[in-house]
Amino acid sequence: DAKTTQPTSMDCAEGRAANLPCNHSTISGNEYVYWYRQIHSQGPQYIIHGLKNNETNEMASLIITEDRKSSTLILPHATLRDTAVYYCIVRVGNSGYALNFGKGTSLLVTP
Amino acid sequence: SAVISQKPSRDICQRGTSLTIQCQVDSQVTMMFWYRQQPGQSLTLIATANQGSEATYESGFVIDKFPISRPNLTFSTLTVSNLSPEDSSIYLCSAYNPVSTEAFFGQGTRLTVV
Repeated sequence: DAKTTQPTSMDCAEGRAANLPCNHSTISGNEYVYWYRQIHSQGPQYIIHGLKNNETNEMASLIITEDRKSSTLILPHATLRDTAVYYCIVRVGNSGYALNFGKGTSLLVTP
Repeated sequence: SAVISQKPSRDICQRGTSLTIQCQVDSQVTMMFWYRQQPGQSLTLIATANQGSEATYESGFVIDKFPISRPNLTFSTLTVSNLSPEDSSIYLCSAYNPVSTEAFFGQGTRLTVV
């Protein structure tokens, strides 16, 4: 799986958009970008994934650059409950192998 | 979405004893995994639980210390043996859905060894 680089921590004001960047410059053509988050003392939770097109679901939007070397997870209206560690993971979509978690970005949403 | 029930949610154990963690998925899944999360750290894969055969362990993890069972497509156990304070961590099980390509996680077991 390709290596990813994320900022260690970020802050965001409640109600504002949280934009979490991820660099994956060595991504291969068949690798997807996945985002998971881990709220304190809970198991990781799937957020969204994409290959090359931008994706949106009820939780977030995923913007992938045209060269696919970086992406941004957008939480459009962050709430206090979005405070968590966010993991960007690159992997082949249907490989079935375990996820390789890096250190992620610790997002703090403040009132 | 698959739901994973993991128990116990937490336990305090004496050194030298063992703890068995159970993971039940509400649907049949092809792949199940066990992770360890040490305090303040990210998740580290312990092993892949293979149905009907021996688990596949990652470097640094051995079967004698972390025996795993997977008797069917919905259930797996992880035992942490001969406990020491260094084993104090959160242990998480995960299942893979090949249709959605998502991974699902249990809520974790917080183990404290005293």
